[in-house]
Amino acid sequence: QVQLVQSEAELKKPGASVKVSCKASGYTFSGYYMYWLRQAPGQGPDYIGWINPNNGDTHYEQKYQGRVTMTRDTSMNTVYMELSRLRFDDTAVYYCARGVRFDLWGQGTQVIVS
Amino acid sequence: QSVLTQPPSASGTPGQRVTISCSGSSSNIGTIYVYWYQQVPGTAPKLLIYRNNQRPSGVPARFSGSKSGTSASLAISGLRSEDEADYYCAAWDDSLRGPRVFGGGTKLTV
Repeated sequence: QVQLVQSEAELKKPGASVKVSCKASGYTFSGYYMYWLRQAPGQGPDYIGWINPNNGDTHYEQKYQGRVTMTRDTSMNTVYMELSRLRFDDTAVYYCARGVRFDLWGQGTQVIVS
Repeated sequence: QSVLTQPPSASGTPGQRVTISCSGSSSNIGTIYVYWYQQVPGTAPKLLIYRNNQRPSGVPARFSGSKSGTSASLAISGLRSEDEADYYCAAWDDSLRGPRVFGGGTKLTV
């Protein structure tokens, strides 16, 4: 079954870091870039950046640069997104999404900063 | 505040045709591709339309997209109760490092 399965919800304090995982299955992991987005309550998705599973190359949107790190483990078909120096307004559901069309999404990971 | 502007709500009755608009600028919709996503509350977004008017396999032909100038529209014909959801437009080109912007969403009530 083609799917992306993300890690469970997290509750963090301001200033801490959070690391969210996204495990791919049912398709060739190296065949698609993986993107990360987040969605605050009542708002549209906000784009964070991407990772190339082949070589680990990354690109981050400017507003997240310096706080976000994306990595991958090809042996586990899994990508990770770590966000540091958490603030209250980082509270959101974080999603991984496949490919330039975002044609497959993970189920989302709720991150609460409180 | 979202880069792309959508009406906050839309409504229709079963069988009707509804359209949802998405307004941008020459730096986004005007020059690049528009995408549409459907999101049932509590679930992840689902791709409905890519590259302005292309439907992925599995998306019914009832859903169609169009673009003109700096605006785009999603049309849903033969409205069904299961179409009740939030709909988001988005815009980006094929460049890897380009911005990817979303609208604020339109809640469709059937």
